[in-house]
Amino acid sequence: AQSVAQPEDQVNVAEGNPLTVKCTYSVSGNPYLFWYVQYPNRGLQFLLKYITGDNLVKGSYGFEAEFNKSQTSFHLKKPSALVSDSALYFCAVPHSGGYQKVTFGTGTKLQVIP
Amino acid sequence: EAQVTQNPRYLITVTGKKLTVTCSQNMNHEYMSWYRQDPGLGLRQIYYSMNVEVTDKGDVPEGYKVSRKEKRNFPLILESPSPNQTSLYFCASREQGNTGELFFGEGSRLTVL
Repeated sequence: AQSVAQPEDQVNVAEGNPLTVKCTYSVSGNPYLFWYVQYPNRGLQFLLKYITGDNLVKGSYGFEAEFNKSQTSFHLKKPSALVSDSALYFCAVPHSGGYQKVTFGTGTKLQVIP
Repeated sequence: EAQVTQNPRYLITVTGKKLTVTCSQNMNHEYMSWYRQDPGLGLRQIYYSMNVEVTDKGDVPEGYKVSRKEKRNFPLILESPSPNQTSLYFCASREQGNTGELFFGEGSRLTVL
């Protein structure tokens, strides 16, 4: 079965410091991996995705993610955090065999401290 | 503007009173899906639809129904709501295929008393 895990419920980082939000996956076959962000009282918004190719994927708002096959991880990163990055972040994986089912992680709340 | 529209955004109801949460998208997407979001559990998929008249169960379909009579609309029906269906619900759509990102509505917060 496809699954993703976000081991941290909350991550606190000072403004200007680099941030990392962790995601590990368990999939059969080649993984397609996604990151979404949810601001308070809003729907989820797409940040970036890994389909194939370069292991470092760049996305919206200066975020990037590194796909690591040996560690089965897809951590979200940003070199310099902004207060406005404070939000809930979700990792997601479509299931193989049609990719119609999508499993989300439990979410990580990012708090950027001024 | 490309968007997924859900209604109502907020609803308080009582156990057993049938309700429908509507979802409409204007991007001509074939794939649509419903999720519920609960603290500590993330998003869980309720139902999805690959096209008109084609629907299938997600991970938590019990107590819900859906229909897909038109491409743009994908309503979620709670025939007899119960308190454990109190949740935040999201509708999403994407182009057919496995590499596209999901576009989400703003969410519908449902409370069942």
